[in-house]
Amino acid sequence: GESVGLHLPTLSVQEGDNSIINCAYSNSASDYFIWYKQESGKGPQFIIDIRSNMDKRQGQRVTVLLNKTVKHLSLQIAATQPGDSAVYFCAEDLATTGNQFYFGTGTSLTVIP
Amino acid sequence: KAGVTQTPRYLIKTRGQQVTLSCSPISGHRSVSWYQQTPGQGLQFLFEYFSETQRNKGNFPGRFSGRQFSNSRSEMNVSTLELGDSALYLCASSQGGVNYGYTFGSGTRLTVV
Repeated sequence: GESVGLHLPTLSVQEGDNSIINCAYSNSASDYFIWYKQESGKGPQFIIDIRSNMDKRQGQRVTVLLNKTVKHLSLQIAATQPGDSAVYFCAEDLATTGNQFYFGTGTSLTVIP
Repeated sequence: KAGVTQTPRYLIKTRGQQVTLSCSPISGHRSVSWYQQTPGQGLQFLFEYFSETQRNKGNFPGRFSGRQFSNSRSEMNVSTLELGDSALYLCASSQGGVNYGYTFGSGTRLTVV
């Protein structure tokens, strides 16, 4: 049958503005989450992670917020730069031993100079 | 420190053939996972290997298999290729403990004709 591409949510922001990318996850038992960035032609690149015993974690220009009540993650990027243009994925770890990540569909971020 | 290395980068195969993809993890990483990325399904988990044993497995048919060697290098094999197997195959490595993020390779782009 015909292959239908995933409809990626898109977000366009002006350079220097803050970006917020949202993600809903599926499994209330998931206890580890990661945000990845994927640029065209490359594999996903780790940005930041958070464990379920936290609700906020900060990195360099990035902050991840976790709301377990509504099973929601968000990634905030401060002072967005053109190099931040990419597809962003959230991933939840479904494994009880080792790693087995379930990735969301991704959000395409475009930074307008 | 070298990253995750996947070979080959590009591959074209005919329906019905079989293919083997290779992945060399980051030195010291004992866990290797494989993912399939397509426009239609996004990033989907295939399997994870740790210390030469398959530790987690996704929902793919038995045509997809893998193995890990004593030096942690991994191969995945797809037999009886179908057009729908055309995808970017990504390998990721981690230290192997619970709740550790991956480092991804750049992937092998497989096209089945």
